[in-house]
Amino acid sequence: NAGVMQNPRHLVRRRGQEARLRCSPMKGHSHVYWYRQLPEEGLKFMVYLQKENIIDESGMPKERFSAEFPKEGPSILRIQQVVRGDSAAYFCASSHPGETSGNTIYFGEGSWLTVV
Amino acid sequence: AQSVTQLGSHVSVSEGALVLLRCNYSSSVPPYLFWYVQYPNQGLQLLLKYTSAATLVKGINGFEAEFKKSETSFHLTKPSAHMSDAAEYFCAVTPYSSASKIIFGSGTRLSIRP
Repeated sequence: NAGVMQNPRHLVRRRGQEARLRCSPMKGHSHVYWYRQLPEEGLKFMVYLQKENIIDESGMPKERFSAEFPKEGPSILRIQQVVRGDSAAYFCASSHPGETSGNTIYFGEGSWLTVV
Repeated sequence: AQSVTQLGSHVSVSEGALVLLRCNYSSSVPPYLFWYVQYPNQGLQLLLKYTSAATLVKGINGFEAEFKKSETSFHLTKPSAHMSDAAEYFCAVTPYSSASKIIFGSGTRLSIRP
């Protein structure tokens, strides 16, 4: 499967635990985006990363949330000390650097986090 | 800054009828515009995109959208709705440059009546 791969697809955490969501971009893509979708709401931008570099984190909550995209391995969205309000679907997307046909991003299937 | 407004959070049409989903954008620079579709419990799939070439853009599944700069609109249409078109549709915008985030509208849920 050459698409954007996210895991786990479903994750249940108790309040106060940590959640780690992983994203492997499409082959050849070095730009990764994370979006959050709350129930009955649209997609909210969280963070935009390139390999080893955060480009735009203007949508990330100031506390408990962090993201990385190391030189090797998947991008990881980390949520510390989860609360019920963190329950949402988290989508990763990737794009090809320097794409000339318009910054198209391709989405993974999402990771559904449930905090109990 | 860029933003997108989708008019109508829910749209219901009869099978075989015209589908019209509205999207208006705001952008201080020339935009790229996109429509994505999301089926239940799945990720988003690109339907079509506008990248400053033809103003009428054709996408997958019989959908098309027309970029109208004077109206700052990018409405999505399909001449004849099919039951399989029932899904959530998102309009999105990004500036005409690289290394920029894509901003999504709040989505429109399309229902198809038999």
